[in-house]
Amino acid sequence: KQEVTQIPAALSVPEGENLVLNCSFTDSAIYNLQWFRQDPGKGLTSLLLIQSSQREQTSGRLNASLDKSSGRSTLYIAASQPGDSATYLCAVKGDQTGANNLFFGTGTRLTVIP
Amino acid sequence: DGGITQSPKYLFRKEGQNVTLSCEQNLNHDAMYWYRQDPGQGLRLIYYSQIVNDFQKGDIAEGYSVSREKKESFPLTVTSAQKNPTAFYLCASRGPGATLHGYTFGSGTRLTVV
Repeated sequence: KQEVTQIPAALSVPEGENLVLNCSFTDSAIYNLQWFRQDPGKGLTSLLLIQSSQREQTSGRLNASLDKSSGRSTLYIAASQPGDSATYLCAVKGDQTGANNLFFGTGTRLTVIP
Repeated sequence: DGGITQSPKYLFRKEGQNVTLSCEQNLNHDAMYWYRQDPGQGLRLIYYSQIVNDFQKGDIAEGYSVSREKKESFPLTVTSAQKNPTAFYLCASRGPGATLHGYTFGSGTRLTVV
């Protein structure tokens, strides 16, 4: 079964720093990988979706990369702001048939210090 | 704006009661999902439905039930058989196409047993 790991579990950085969040997965047979943001007590907001054939996706200050063969994805946040403080989750969709094949990491809790 | 609406935001259940969590979407998505989120754990799939009048058990379906009578609605009932129901419940949907579309989540319902 696919296992998704996010390291570190928590990260604190001063405002303005660039940072990288990591996501690793054990089975490289994936359709896509999605990064989400979750604020405390809230639902998940989709940030970026990378298809298995893609290497990266960008949205504003966010850049997500995917190395399927090594089972890794990174989320790069440029010029971090206090408003970026949240938990970031990655989710991997496997390429097996059926709908029960979306696997989540446990998230990285980011705190950006003003 | 299109999206997923979950209600209520907070729900309290007495021992032995059944409670129903609402999930409505106006995205015209075929597939809908219910996840449970506990502190320190990744999201776990409870039930999912790929089309109207059809649904499948996820990884932790015991003590829960669902229906899918309309495309827009996928309510989750937490029955008295669920021994540890206190958690944050998230509903999600996904558009057509197995790989091209990511998941859209609602804002969640926090259920507490009193």
